[in-house]
Amino acid sequence: SQQGEEDPQALSIQEGENATMNCSYKTSINNLQWYRQNSGRGLVHLILIRSNEREKHSGRLRVTLDTSKKSSSLLITASRAADTASYFCATTKRGGANSKLTFGKGITLSVRP
Amino acid sequence: SAVISQKPSRDICQRGTSLTIQCQVDSQVTMMFWYRQQPGQSLTLIATANQGSEATYESGFVIDKFPISRPNLTFSTLTVSNMSPEDSSIYLCSVDRGTSQYNEQFFGPGTRLTVL
Repeated sequence: SQQGEEDPQALSIQEGENATMNCSYKTSINNLQWYRQNSGRGLVHLILIRSNEREKHSGRLRVTLDTSKKSSSLLITASRAADTASYFCATTKRGGANSKLTFGKGITLSVRP
Repeated sequence: SAVISQKPSRDICQRGTSLTIQCQVDSQVTMMFWYRQQPGQSLTLIATANQGSEATYESGFVIDKFPISRPNLTFSTLTVSNMSPEDSSIYLCSVDRGTSQYNEQFFGPGTRLTVL
């Protein structure tokens, strides 16, 4: 199956709540990146976590990485309606050529005002 | 980050025609990538474009269908040739800045292509 599988596939929450999205992958990685995509537009880079890192913060975002379980989570705290978007994780394979990204299927987040 | 622009932002084309998509970066980068995102799907890498060499295509993508140019370190084009409705997708270019294995990759705004 595809490297980088997110769950849930869709998430609907109330504004102000926290949103947690998970991503699993299959091979050893160099890094994992999370992206946001609004309404089929370009991807916005949110955060990169290296394979030797376990947790990283950026504003309202918190990303964790568990290489033993080959999984990552993205937490958005105090969600806003503007956070409504699709979220993708993407991995770079360890030992792989260049910096090719392998994307997960994506999670659709809806934040209700 | 990187400022990346793409032209056109969207287009509607007839079956059998070709469309060339341009990608411009605000600074020199070694590697540029082209991705396809089919409706409701995730992104799939088409090819890696390095300046001064032939593009490297992923399995399932061929040069005759998706010729790529990389004339300098800030620009690349992707042509979608002999289009069919199945080519209707968003096409995105991305760049990888730096030389380490921990580089962030940034994406352009995408080109939404509809083939009738």
